[in-house]
Amino acid sequence: GENVEQHPSTLSVQEGDSAVIKCTYSDSASNYFPWYKQELGKRPQLIIDIRSNVGEKKDQRIAVTLNKTAKHFSLHITETQPEDSAVYFCAASPNLEYGNKLVFGAGTILRVKS
Amino acid sequence: GAVVSQHPSWVICKSGTSVKIECRSLDFQATTMFWYRQFPKQSLMLMATSNEGSKATYEQGVEKDKFLINHASLTLSTLTVTSAHPEDSSFYICSARDLGTGSGELFFGEGSRLTVL
Repeated sequence: GENVEQHPSTLSVQEGDSAVIKCTYSDSASNYFPWYKQELGKRPQLIIDIRSNVGEKKDQRIAVTLNKTAKHFSLHITETQPEDSAVYFCAASPNLEYGNKLVFGAGTILRVKS
Repeated sequence: GAVVSQHPSWVICKSGTSVKIECRSLDFQATTMFWYRQFPKQSLMLMATSNEGSKATYEQGVEKDKFLINHASLTLSTLTVTSAHPEDSSFYICSARDLGTGSGELFFGEGSRLTVL
C-alpha cells in the first residue's frame, strides 16, 4: 500500500520568511496530492492540492510542487504570518473515485514567530 | 464547499460501555465515507472505509468487532466503539468526498473526542 513520509516534523520560522514542507510517497499509482491545515482541536482543512498532470500550482502565498519521477511533492508558504501556525499534513491518493482512500503523512508543526 | 457533520463533538464514557458516533453528509450523497483516528500530536490514521449498503473495509490492525461501522444510507455512517477502554480515548474524524464538485476534495467532519474513564 501507499506510504507517505513528511519532513520536517516541526518547523519554526520568523514572520515574513518562507516555509517549505516536503513529502515523499511510495505508490506510483497515486496521482492526487492534497495538503491540509489543522488547527488545534479542529478538523483538517484543505489548503491546496495538485494532480499528477501538473508540476506546480499556486494560490496566493501557497504553492505546491510535484516531481512524479522522484515521487515527492512540497508545500511552499511565502511571507508567513502568525495565523499560518498550525499542523500541516500532506496526503496521497490514487484517483479521485469514492473508494480510494487518502494516506496522510505524519504532519509538520509550523510555528511562525512574530 | 460540501459539509460533513459529526455528532457528538465530545463524549465521556465509563470503561466497558459502548459509544456511537454519527457522520452525516449534509448537502451531498456519499456512497463511501472514511473513518480516521487521531491521537494527540499524531497524524490521521485510517481505520476503515464505510460503504453504503455493504460491509466496511477495515485497515490492518483495526478490530472490526470493536469498531462497528454501519452505512445505512447515502448520507449517514455510524461508528460504534464497543466495550470502550481508556486506550480507545482518541479523536475520531469521519470524511467523505463530494465528487459532484469535480475537485475530489475530501471533506472532514468536526471530529469526536472520546474520553474513556
